[in-house]
Amino acid sequence: GAVVSQHPSRVICKSGTSVKIECRSLDFQATTMFWYRQFPKKSLMLMATSNEGSKATYEQGVEKDKFLINHASLTLSTLTVTSAHPEDSSFYICSAIRTSGDQETQYFGPGTRLLVL
Amino acid sequence: GENVEQHPSTLSVQEGDSAVIKCTYSDSASNYFPWYKQELGKGPQLIIDIRSNVGEKKDQRIAVTLNKTAKHFSLHITETQPEDSAVYFCADRGNLNPNTGNQFYFGTGTSLTVIP
Repeated sequence: GAVVSQHPSRVICKSGTSVKIECRSLDFQATTMFWYRQFPKKSLMLMATSNEGSKATYEQGVEKDKFLINHASLTLSTLTVTSAHPEDSSFYICSAIRTSGDQETQYFGPGTRLLVL
Repeated sequence: GENVEQHPSTLSVQEGDSAVIKCTYSDSASNYFPWYKQELGKGPQLIIDIRSNVGEKKDQRIAVTLNKTAKHFSLHITETQPEDSAVYFCADRGNLNPNTGNQFYFGTGTSLTVIP
């Protein structure tokens, strides 16, 4: 299957600092990437849709100024958690959409564990 | 909006037995139904998917069936092994928001435990 990487895999930061998470599609180009947040023993919560070359589309309740998304190329999307607080601690997962003809398949990254102290 | 329901939430089976997880959806326009396996601390891994033009797909011990009339699809794992223990998520691709494209909607997950 297709490969999607995330970096870093885990990060610990102090409250008030900003953290950038990178999501890369390694063997295909992805016009669309998604960013999810997952709480323990819960399903995936979509935060935003990242489209290459345009602004991200955020889900209701997700602060766009808090979670900055940049999809600068067809293989890279970044999520920056600005002025992080302990309640931002979570497991963040990106995914990339691979398109083949008229079929789209979603592949996930390995996730980033964020702990804000 | 789209609603995907997944059952059961937890499932324990003896090694070698079969496991079945079922999902229902509400958007009749949904046309793609993937299943993901998530191990602890890792991202979801696509294990099998089915598109609306077929009713069943099989890959070794894993199979998925789709009933578009009833709007439900199921994951079947045969000859289960301890390494099949994980959380499994179903999903469908809806088409309810033309501004964001075809978003994926996830079930609530099934925690499968295969007892050796």
